[in-house]
Amino acid sequence: GIQVEQSPPDLILQEGANSTLRCNFSDSVNNLQWFHQNPWGQLINLFYIPSGTKQNGRLSATTVATERYSLLYISSSQTTDSGVYFCAVEPGAGSYQLTFGKGTKLSVIP
Amino acid sequence: DGGITQSPKYLFRKEGQNVTLSCEQNLNHDAMYWYRQDPGQGLRLIYYSQIVNDFQKGDIAEGYSVSREKKESFPLTVTSAQKNPTAFYLCATRYLSTGKDEAFFGQGTRLTVV
Repeated sequence: GIQVEQSPPDLILQEGANSTLRCNFSDSVNNLQWFHQNPWGQLINLFYIPSGTKQNGRLSATTVATERYSLLYISSSQTTDSGVYFCAVEPGAGSYQLTFGKGTKLSVIP
Repeated sequence: DGGITQSPKYLFRKEGQNVTLSCEQNLNHDAMYWYRQDPGQGLRLIYYSQIVNDFQKGDIAEGYSVSREKKESFPLTVTSAQKNPTAFYLCATRYLSTGKDEAFFGQGTRLTVV
């Protein structure tokens, strides 16, 4: 099956710093999403981005489908950004399965 | 997500018992999914269903069973055959239409074997 690799696995930032999280995938994808898992376990949708670039406040994401990677940018980080960020992909139309990476654990310190 | 309800939030199971986790949605989404998350790990797919009365095994289906008798409901039974059931279980739904097939998750159920 498709492989999804996220980097870095862990990241510690000072409040106010910027960061880039990366998601590499081994095959073409029909669907790609970024999620934030908060300390209570809830998965929050950040972006639905199988290709192109999107922005939402301090967060933005870019997916280059032809090169099989996606990037999540966090600017001016806040302590509430802490948690685990997951990338999930659907390998091709009609598979209906979302495969998750192992996540990037972000800790933002004051 | 507000339209997906998982219950209970916490569940304790004795060795050898079957337990059922509930997932209900009012989003009119076609597909429903069950994922398992172990501490410090990503999500692994247990079962999924695209339509009523049909479902498929995911990567780790052994020791689990599901049913999809209604579009709104997709309960997961953790059977005694599941040797290590302690985990965080997450239900997700998707509307299967090109460009609109974003997945949403419930708040999860934490299952502990005692």
